[in-house]
Amino acid sequence: SYDLTQPPSVSVSPGQTAFITCSGHKMGDRYVSWYQQRPGQSPVLVLYQDTQRPSGIPERFSGSNFGNTATLTISGTQAMDEADYFCQAWDSSTVVFGGGTKLTVL
Amino acid sequence: EVQLVESGGGLIQPGGSLRLSCAASGFTVGSHYMSWVRQAPGKGLEWVSTLYSSGSTYYADSVKGRITISRDESKNTVFLQLSSLRVEDTAVYYCARAIAAVYGMDVWGQGTTVTVSS
Repeated sequence: SYDLTQPPSVSVSPGQTAFITCSGHKMGDRYVSWYQQRPGQSPVLVLYQDTQRPSGIPERFSGSNFGNTATLTISGTQAMDEADYFCQAWDSSTVVFGGGTKLTVL
Repeated sequence: EVQLVESGGGLIQPGGSLRLSCAASGFTVGSHYMSWVRQAPGKGLEWVSTLYSSGSTYYADSVKGRITISRDESKNTVFLQLSSLRVEDTAVYYCARAIAAVYGMDVWGQGTTVTVSS
């Protein structure tokens, strides 16, 4: 099976840039989506096809995907960005999620 | 408004069965990839199953043989039939749609809670 690995936690100061990574074998050969989940809420799609933002997602969310690592970048991080973030990819018609990263803004 | 509303969760004994429903509005379930994703208490997201617009179905190894995904286009609803339930199936079950695999799951329901316990 295909595995996606994320760091359990990332901390960032308000206004700074947060980087959340997602590692997998030949990750760059697949499209990655990213989801934000605030406590007690359903996940929200923040990026798809590695770099595309759905309507309504702020420009401070961006992404890249090269080699074995996809990265979600949050520029000018705000307190409201504190949440769990999950990467996701497709593998032979099945869906794989990373374990999730808790982003703390402090 | 594009929306998904799940229902059917509850408390069920190990070995029991349950059918979850996901009612869609604002779009047609038959034209999209419809998935179920679950989240155990305090844990991450776990993919359960996807029903393609073509009708093809796919399941996670952890539930294969115990779960069936289906849709009723007349009701614009997707179902997840759970059987031989185990304690480890306890989770919030979310329904989500994708236009196609590469576009990500752009609409999620609020989730329905399944608790398997004696």
